[in-house]
Amino acid sequence: DGGITQSPKYLFRKEGQNVTLSCEQNLNHDAMYWYRQDPGQGLRLIYYSQIVNDFQKGDIAEGYSVSREKKESFPLTVTSAQKNPTAFYLCASKATETQYFGPGTRLLVL
Amino acid sequence: AQSVTQLDSQVPVFEEAPVELRCNYSSSVSVYLFWYVQYPNQGLQLLLKYLSGSTLVKGINGFEAEFNKSQTSFHLRKPSVHISDTAEYFCAVSWGGYQKVTFGTGTKLQVIP
Repeated sequence: DGGITQSPKYLFRKEGQNVTLSCEQNLNHDAMYWYRQDPGQGLRLIYYSQIVNDFQKGDIAEGYSVSREKKESFPLTVTSAQKNPTAFYLCASKATETQYFGPGTRLLVL
Repeated sequence: AQSVTQLDSQVPVFEEAPVELRCNYSSSVSVYLFWYVQYPNQGLQLLLKYLSGSTLVKGINGFEAEFNKSQTSFHLRKPSVHISDTAEYFCAVSWGGYQKVTFGTGTKLQVIP
């Protein structure tokens, strides 16, 4: 089955802790994206990557970091510098102008 | 800057009635247009897309949308809604040759039995 997987489904972060959200795709797509979703605000772009070993900041990159060492994987780290991390995080990949989304990870702060 | 506007944050409608969810975008050259549906605590699922060709686009679950270039709109319609259509709907636009996609703030469709 081709698709995008995100893990974990729920993640809890303690004060001052870095946490990493996983995103894997087997669709052979070059481009991958991370979005943050807050109620009433739609989706906001955190980072995106058009190709392996390359990525660009989106609109709200502060407090986040990414890597793209493999085509299939685009993990997102929420650092301690992100003061308001509670949100629903969505990963997507893109082919022929169309984005396809994973099931999301909900990050909560303890 | 490119923008996408979904004027209605919530739309209540009775079951089996028709519905239209509105989407407008800022004018530019070529655009690609999308509608996604999101059920609670899930990712976004593609409903339909306009890349080129016919301006009337049919999607899954009986939805359709019409690209209107002069009005810079891409409204989503369904002639008869079901309870299962209760969800949040997002309009999205990408401008030709640009890797980013801009999303509207979403419209919550509430189908009333």
